[in-house]
Amino acid sequence: AQSVAQPEDQVNVAEGNPLTVKCTYSVSGNPYLFWYVQYPNRGLQFLLKYITGDNLVKGSYGFEAEFNKSQTSFHLKKPSALVSDSALYFCAVRDVRSYQKVTFGTGTKLQVIP
Amino acid sequence: EAQVTQNPRYLITVTGKKLTVTCSQNMNHEYMSWYRQDPGLGLRQIYYSMNVEVTDKGDVPEGYKVSRKEKRNFPLILESPSPNQTSLYFCASARTGQGSATYGYTFGSGTRLTVV
Repeated sequence: AQSVAQPEDQVNVAEGNPLTVKCTYSVSGNPYLFWYVQYPNRGLQFLLKYITGDNLVKGSYGFEAEFNKSQTSFHLKKPSALVSDSALYFCAVRDVRSYQKVTFGTGTKLQVIP
Repeated sequence: EAQVTQNPRYLITVTGKKLTVTCSQNMNHEYMSWYRQDPGLGLRQIYYSMNVEVTDKGDVPEGYKVSRKEKRNFPLILESPSPNQTSLYFCASARTGQGSATYGYTFGSGTRLTVV
């Protein structure tokens, strides 16, 4: 079985400061990893993915994520937070052998304080 | 515009009254899925479909039905809704096959269902 853990229900960060939203995963085989963002009253939007190759992946809106196989983590980062980044963020994992079965974490609310 | 369209956006109904939430995508995606989102529980998969006439249970299928008669449509049916099915529902679609892992899901805008 595959699973995702997002240990923080909420992360608060001051505008202009760097932000990190944590994610750890568990799969039997190799993982595909994803981050999605949900703004109020909206569906989830795809932010970035790790499939293979470089452990640091870059995505939309200046976000990036670092894949760490030994720690089974895929933390989302941004060098300088904006108030408009305030939203709910979901980490998701798929075992490369599973046919599109994606498991989502419980979500982390990011609050960027002006 | 490539999109997943869900209807209705909001629905209040009474216990036991059958309802259908529609989902349609215009991207010719093979894979479609239904999720429910509840506070503290994240997104949990209800049913998914690999292609026309191919559906399977997700993690929380009890009380729900689906059908996939056409590639673009994947309706979610609640035959006898109960208050514990009050939730925010999302439909999603994705490509499959070679290179499919490089694409994420495309989500609909959600349906907020209240069962009283």
